[in-house]
Amino acid sequence: AQKITQTQPGMFVQEKEAVTLDCTYDTSDPSYGLFWYKQPSSGEMIFLIYQGSYDQQNATEGRYSLNFQKARKSANLVISASQLGDSAMYFCAMRVGPGNQFYFGTGTSLTVIP
Amino acid sequence: DVKVTQSSRYLVKRTGEKVFLECVQDMDHENMFWYRQDPGLGLRLIYFSYDVKMKEKGDIPEGYSVSREKKERFSLILESASTNQTSMYLCASSRSWMKNIQYFGAGTRLSVL
Repeated sequence: AQKITQTQPGMFVQEKEAVTLDCTYDTSDPSYGLFWYKQPSSGEMIFLIYQGSYDQQNATEGRYSLNFQKARKSANLVISASQLGDSAMYFCAMRVGPGNQFYFGTGTSLTVIP
Repeated sequence: DVKVTQSSRYLVKRTGEKVFLECVQDMDHENMFWYRQDPGLGLRLIYFSYDVKMKEKGDIPEGYSVSREKKERFSLILESASTNQTSMYLCASSRSWMKNIQYFGAGTRLSVL
C-alpha cells in the first residue's frame, strides 16, 4: 500500500531562518514522483517542487529544496530564509503507479514569526 | 500559466439537494481529479478521469458521481447531499506524461445544512 506521512502538525520558524518540513513515504514501486504543495489560507494548492525517484540530485526551486534520501524513504522540504508569506499549510504528495494518482500527507502548518 | 477554475468558492445547500460542482482547465490536460479536504485527513481522492467520458473511482466515491463530456470540464455531482459531505472540494488537472504535476483550482467550500 502507498503511504505518505507528515509527523509535524505545526511548526514555527523565525523570519529569515531556514526550516525543514518532514515527509516519509512508503511504496514498493521503483518508479514514483514526490511533490510538495503550499496551501495558504485562501485555499488554493500551489505546486512548489518535484523529485523523481530516479533523479540523482536533490531538486531545488529558488528558496525551496527537497532533501531526498531514497534509502530512508524521506523527502523533506527545506525552506531557506523564511518570509512572512511562507506561513501556510504544506503538503507532501507521492505519485505512483500507472494511474497518475497522488497520495497526500496530512499536512504541516508553518507559521513564520516576525 | 495553467489555470484551473472552480465555479464557486462558497456554496450552501440543503440536505437532499442535488449539487453540481464544476471545474474547467485551460491547458488541454488529459487527467482531471476531484478531492475533498477535511482537517487532519489531508486530501482524499473522490474520482478521477483520464480522458473524455472516462472515469475511475478514487478512495471515497460513495455518494458522488462525475461527468466528463468535454476534455476541459470535469463535474462532481452529489446526488442527494448529506451533512457529512460538508467539506472543501478541490479540483486538479495534469498531463499524462513528464512529471504529471497536478495543478489545482481555488477550491469550493460546501456547507450542507
